[in-house]
Amino acid sequence: LAKTTQPISMDSYEGQEVNITCSHNNIATNDYITWYQQFPSQGPRFIIQGYKTKVTNEVASLFIPADRKSSTLSLPRVSLSDTAVYYCLVGDMPSRDDKIIFGKGTRLHILP
Amino acid sequence: NAGVTQTPKFQVLKTGQSMTLQCAQDMNHEYMSWYRQDPGMGLRLIHYSVGAGITDQGEVPNGYNVSRSTTEDFPLRLLSAAPSQTSVYFCASSYRRQGTIVDTQYFGPGTRLTVL
Repeated sequence: LAKTTQPISMDSYEGQEVNITCSHNNIATNDYITWYQQFPSQGPRFIIQGYKTKVTNEVASLFIPADRKSSTLSLPRVSLSDTAVYYCLVGDMPSRDDKIIFGKGTRLHILP
Repeated sequence: NAGVTQTPKFQVLKTGQSMTLQCAQDMNHEYMSWYRQDPGMGLRLIHYSVGAGITDQGEVPNGYNVSRSTTEDFPLRLLSAAPSQTSVYFCASSYRRQGTIVDTQYFGPGTRLTVL
């Protein structure tokens, strides 16, 4: 999997849009970008996945520029329940060496 | 489908004891893995398996053994528990299909282990 860099933590307020950016300068041609969300005391769960441009689902949007060296997870109108850790993964799972490394993620704290 | 199940939910061990954390999935997933998560930290990969009879080491394999005799089960064994192994353990599974679609990981609820 390509190495990723994302902020350690972020704070925001209820009702705002939150954007979390992930850098992945070494992304390969076949790599997809996948984001997971982890609530306290739970296992991570899949949020969204994309290859290029923009992907949107009922939970979030994922923006990927043309060079694909970064991506931005966008959470519209966050609520307190969006407080969680968000992980950015880049790879072509099953990956070339089959290891799926999550890293430390971004700890998002939503304030009232 | 029950998805990914883990037992037990909580466990307290004394230093030197051994135990097995159970993980099972009913989705016929080829890929299974074990992670540990320490307080305030991300997930670290312990061991993984790409199919029955095949296992490999992750980032932090020392002190743990795994085996994969069936597609459904992937137990994690602590050989001689140490306080440094106090953590929350998550099991995950996914398909391992070739091609351009990347398969998502499904996680179990976790096992909270304390080693005294």
